[in-house]
Amino acid sequence: GAVVSQHPSWVICKSGTSVKIECRSLDFQATTMFWYRQFPKQSLMLMATSNEGSKATYEQGVEKDKFLINHASLTLSTLTVTSAHPEDSSFYICSAGLAGTYEQYFGPGTRLTVT
Amino acid sequence: TQLLEQSPQFLSIQEGENLTVYCNSSSVFSSLQWYRQEPGEGPVLLVTVVTGGEVKKLKRLTFQFGDARKDSSLHITAAQPGDTGLYLCAGPSAGSYQLTFGKGTKLSVIP
Repeated sequence: GAVVSQHPSWVICKSGTSVKIECRSLDFQATTMFWYRQFPKQSLMLMATSNEGSKATYEQGVEKDKFLINHASLTLSTLTVTSAHPEDSSFYICSAGLAGTYEQYFGPGTRLTVT
Repeated sequence: TQLLEQSPQFLSIQEGENLTVYCNSSSVFSSLQWYRQEPGEGPVLLVTVVTGGEVKKLKRLTFQFGDARKDSSLHITAAQPGDTGLYLCAGPSAGSYQLTFGKGTKLSVIP
């Protein structure tokens, strides 16, 4: 149980284009999902907390107009990187919170490369 | 701000050896979680410890939560190459469901 999928697993895009990443909880409902960014050899950096049906809460220093988050259902959250630049290249990971606990279940991640 | 410090940062050992990694804080956590992350993948939850002094075993992995709930350890017996990965501890941030992560211990088990 508690499986989270992420799509795509990797994507290459050109500068200036937008990329959408989907995060789905497959066998449980997640009122809260989280988006992280991870640089090589580093730990996870929380970008934003996404609550179903409401606006996402962004961490300090994360541009909300650049990283658009939508959490329209209890099983799906999306992250859209708008007007991508090479410095946005990174490993993006989502997680879904298990209701009533502090446990988070992570997706397999999406490797974004902006050329 | 609640911080979690993990040590050692890197650990390279031979197959069959035992090891312990640590997760320490000056703050009290209601619970702590341990994750293992392999390169190019998302972290996988290994265990959640909730009660001070609690010990949980997962095959060759033994997790302990400190009595004061400020620290935790992970002990691996007879390490295998499949144990290689980044071990992360995490605890809930005060007043939210967000997790505070340590910087991780990168373990390499050499066959």
